[in-house]
Amino acid sequence: EIVMTQSPATLSVSPGERATLSCRASRSVSTNLAWYQHKPGQAPRLLIYEASTRSTGIPARFSGRGSGTEFTLIITSLQSEDFAVYYCQQYNDWPLVTFGGGTKVDFK
Amino acid sequence: QMQLAQSGAEVKTTGSSMSVSCKAPGNTFTSRYLHWLRQAPGQPFEWMGWIVPFNGNTDHAQKFQDRVTITRDRSMRTAYLQLSSLRAEDTAMYYCAGSSSAEGAFDIWGQGTMVTVFS
Repeated sequence: EIVMTQSPATLSVSPGERATLSCRASRSVSTNLAWYQHKPGQAPRLLIYEASTRSTGIPARFSGRGSGTEFTLIITSLQSEDFAVYYCQQYNDWPLVTFGGGTKVDFK
Repeated sequence: QMQLAQSGAEVKTTGSSMSVSCKAPGNTFTSRYLHWLRQAPGQPFEWMGWIVPFNGNTDHAQKFQDRVTITRDRSMRTAYLQLSSLRAEDTAMYYCAGSSSAEGAFDIWGQGTMVTVFS
């Protein structure tokens, strides 16, 4: 099983600031990496797939980069609606898809 | 944001079975692969299995080999997850999610169904 490790566990950010979230895979997943946003009581939302492709309707302030084992999600100019938990997921090792433990982005 | 509609919370005793449903909107049902995942408190998401609504083919994680059943009703645009012989460690939020391709990211999700198992 590929282990996905996210850091930091919690990121405190002020509105308008930039947030940088990291995700590391225990072995290469190529670019088969997705990022999700999850708010309490809501359905998770796909933000990024193929490591860097924004999903339909996702604002341009969300961007993803990386390949192999190191990945980054960047949120430029954080908005109030962006406070949530963010998860990375590898789908390279199908069907043994695995998720990271999440990064909670909260209000500084 | 389009999403899948899941059934409500369940409270179960150990050894019993649970059943969660997942209804897809509009014409998305047969154009997606539908997956079941769960997230226990403080744990990452865990993939449990999937169904191809078009033809009913299924697959599931080895961990749930003898306990999980995934079915669908095409006329109702609904998929079902059944898990038997419940244990306390099955307490989790259960999600259905859809992917456009067989091995792709999950681009549509349900809101989750909380299942609590106690002895």
